[in-house]
This record gives sequence, C-alpha cells and structure tokens, in this order.
Amino acid sequence: GESVGLHLPTLSVQEGDNSIINCAYSNSASDYFIWYKQESGKGPQFIIDIRSNMDKRQGQRVTVLLNKTVKHLSLQIAATQPGDSAVYFCAENTADKLIFGTGTRLQVFP
Amino acid sequence: KAGVTQTPRYLIKTRGQQVTLSCSPISGHRSVSWYQQTPGQGLQFLFEYFSETQRNKGNFPGRFSGRQFSNSRSEMNVSTLELGDSALYLCASSPDTDTQYFGPGTRLTVL
Repeated sequence: GESVGLHLPTLSVQEGDNSIINCAYSNSASDYFIWYKQESGKGPQFIIDIRSNMDKRQGQRVTVLLNKTVKHLSLQIAATQPGDSAVYFCAENTADKLIFGTGTRLQVFP
Repeated sequence: KAGVTQTPRYLIKTRGQQVTLSCSPISGHRSVSWYQQTPGQGLQFLFEYFSETQRNKGNFPGRFSGRQFSNSRSEMNVSTLELGDSALYLCASSPDTDTQYFGPGTRLTVL
C-alpha cells in the first residue's frame, strides 16, 4: 500500500549546525509534499511544501529537496536552534489524503 | 485569522461509551479533515469533509463517524469506545488547496 517513511527516528545536532531530515515515499503519483513540525502537546505545524514539478524550494532557514527519481524528500534546517527541537513529519498528498511518515525527532544540544 | 480550534482538549471516557469531538476550522476554510495520532500507528487519516459532505475516508471501522455543518464546523463521533481508541485526535482545515492546517488536538483517554 501507500506509505511514507523516514530513515532516522532520532537526529541529534549541535546548536548552530545544519540539520537534514530524510523521507522516502512510495507513491510515484503523489504530486505534493509537505513537511510538518510537531512540538510536544501541540498539533503539527506547517513548515514548507513542494510540488512534484519542482526539485527544490527554500523558506526561512529551511529548504526542501525532492528527488522524484528515487522518491526521496529531505528537509534541511540551517543554523539549527533549540526551538527547532520537535518531531518532524513528511507527508504526501494523494487524492486529497495526507499520508504521513513515522516522524523524526530532532534534538538540539548546546 | 484565528487558527483551528478543537474542543475539548482533554477527555477521559470508559470502554463502551461514546464521544463527540468538535473542530472549528480557520475562517473561510471549507475542508476539514480528521486524523488519529498514536505512538504505535503514527498519524492516520480518518475522513475529510467539504461543504457538509464526506469527500474522503480512511480505513477506520464504522464506529468512527463525522459530520460537517453549514458553517464548516465539524464533529467526529466514536461509539462503543475501546481501549485502543486512546489517542490524540487532530483536526485540520484547508481552503480546498493541498495545504492543511492543524489544530492542537483532543487527547482522548479510554479507561
């Protein structure tokens, strides 16, 4: 069936370093992808999205890369800060349904 | 604009009872989706409503149902609660584009 997965369940980075969170998706027909950030006790918060006709999109301190050939998505966070500590989910939008990956916990230490 | 709101934020029920959760979408958003989040299964899609009609449905039993009102507010109902229904139930609204904006969720505990 359709699935979206993540390579690493936990990522620990030092404050100020760049973070890269990866995601693999299985539905090659998906044409829209989203990254969400979820802090403890809160709902997922939209970070950045990308459509399948693009391979890169930049936001404020975040960049999403899409490689359709290998069905891979990544989220890059520049100059990681303590406030970036959270669980990050990738999601693909297929037929108006969001299919989420299992999530990666990002831990930022001083 | 105010964000997506969900009530109640926390709820404790016992097995066999039923529960109704409420979601108010962002003003102007006509699509409301519901998700269940558990540590074991992650985020799973329940259903989506648009203009008072269920437009999409996930793979949950019939005990899970929902509806949407003319003002786009939505409710979901779970009947005959089971221990495994304990979860964070998330509502997300969308202006009928792909991007969905989530509320804080309702934490349901079934004893």
